[in-house]
Amino acid sequence: NAGVTQTPKFQVLKTGQSMTLQCAQDMNHEYMSWYRQDPGMGLRLIHYSVGAGITDQGEVPNGYNVSRSTTEDFPLRLLSAAPSQTSVYFCASSYAGVGNQPQHFGDGTRLSIL
Amino acid sequence: GENVEQHPSTLSVQEGDSAVIKCTYSDSASNYFPWYKQELGKRPQLIIDIRSNVGEKKDQRIAVTLNKTAKHFSLHITETQPEDSAVYFCAAVLSGGYQKVTFGTGTKLQVIP
Repeated sequence: NAGVTQTPKFQVLKTGQSMTLQCAQDMNHEYMSWYRQDPGMGLRLIHYSVGAGITDQGEVPNGYNVSRSTTEDFPLRLLSAAPSQTSVYFCASSYAGVGNQPQHFGDGTRLSIL
Repeated sequence: GENVEQHPSTLSVQEGDSAVIKCTYSDSASNYFPWYKQELGKRPQLIIDIRSNVGEKKDQRIAVTLNKTAKHFSLHITETQPEDSAVYFCAAVLSGGYQKVTFGTGTKLQVIP
């Protein structure tokens, strides 16, 4: 199993551009999430999904859209990039079995907005 | 919503000494507390977790304790080694449908050889 795969690994955008960060998992996990990681602020939840066709907002959703058309894929879209969105983005997935389950993270996408 | 505070933000210890990282949470409904280790430029990876029906859990040199009454939990690393140097994140998970995870702000641990 590849686990959670994120592409691209690095990206530089200009203010106002849009782009999609890709996330795919091959573990048949129901739950998927997007986080951003900024220095001194830990990991903050952007959007999450409990299954195909179901998404919801996390702590910092503004400026981002998500969709979940399949169990495997959970892309994150930046609608109009702003310098404040410069960050490292992590996608994570977890099993929705009985009891809490740990999250599996991708390698991250390092995004710079100029 | 849940709020997780983590201390200290940086910690330096001599190789072989112990390291302790402490976290507090605000929502008494949180019932799962994982700890993640993140090496520089890498993904966070689970190192140990504890559920609310357990007070302590150990895995070799790593242990976690949970005090539900006081709403705090701690990570203990004994006999530290240089490869323990990393950023450690605690988290609190609220059950009920989606497992909403709230992370602490991280502790940068440096083990000095």
